[in-house]
Amino acid sequence: GESVGLHLPTLSVQEGDNSIINCAYSNSASDYFIWYKQESGKGPQFIIDIRSNMDKRQGQRVTVLLNKTVKHLSLQIAATQPGDSAVYFCAESNNNDMRFGAGTRLTVKP
Amino acid sequence: KAGVTQTPRYLIKTRGQQVTLSCSPISGHRSVSWYQQTPGQGLQFLFEYFSETQRNKGNFPGRFSGRQFSNSRSEMNVSTLELGDSALYLCASSPTGGYTGELFFGEGSRLTVL
Repeated sequence: GESVGLHLPTLSVQEGDNSIINCAYSNSASDYFIWYKQESGKGPQFIIDIRSNMDKRQGQRVTVLLNKTVKHLSLQIAATQPGDSAVYFCAESNNNDMRFGAGTRLTVKP
Repeated sequence: KAGVTQTPRYLIKTRGQQVTLSCSPISGHRSVSWYQQTPGQGLQFLFEYFSETQRNKGNFPGRFSGRQFSNSRSEMNVSTLELGDSALYLCASSPTGGYTGELFFGEGSRLTVL
């Protein structure tokens, strides 16, 4: 069946380094993608989104890349900080459905 | 602006009981959606309410139900609780709802079923 999945369940990076979190999707009908950050004991928080008519979108220290050819989504965090430690998950959707990835736990080492 | 508020934050029930969870959306948001989050299944969509009507529904059994009031506050109910219902239940609000657009999540209600 179709699914949203993450390549890596955990990611550990050094403070100041860049982080890349990956997400694979298989529903070619998905036209909207979003990344959420979830800190321990809190609800998910919106980071950035992208529509299928775009390949790249930048925010503050974050960039989302969408490769529709291989159905791949990535979140890049520049100059990772300790406050970035959290679980990150992607979501794919269209007018009829929304699915979430399992999540990647990002740990930032000081 | 106050965020999404969920109550209670933690609760413990036994199998066979029922539970009602409450969600107050951000002021002005007409859509409230509910999600179940477990370590094994991740975040799964339960249902969405918009202007007191259920607009979308996920793939959950009929034991899971919800409603929305005229002030946009929403409740979800789970009847005949099973051990597998233990999870973090998250509520999210948005101005227009649907499957696209930013969702504003509450901190969740953690349900433990014994």
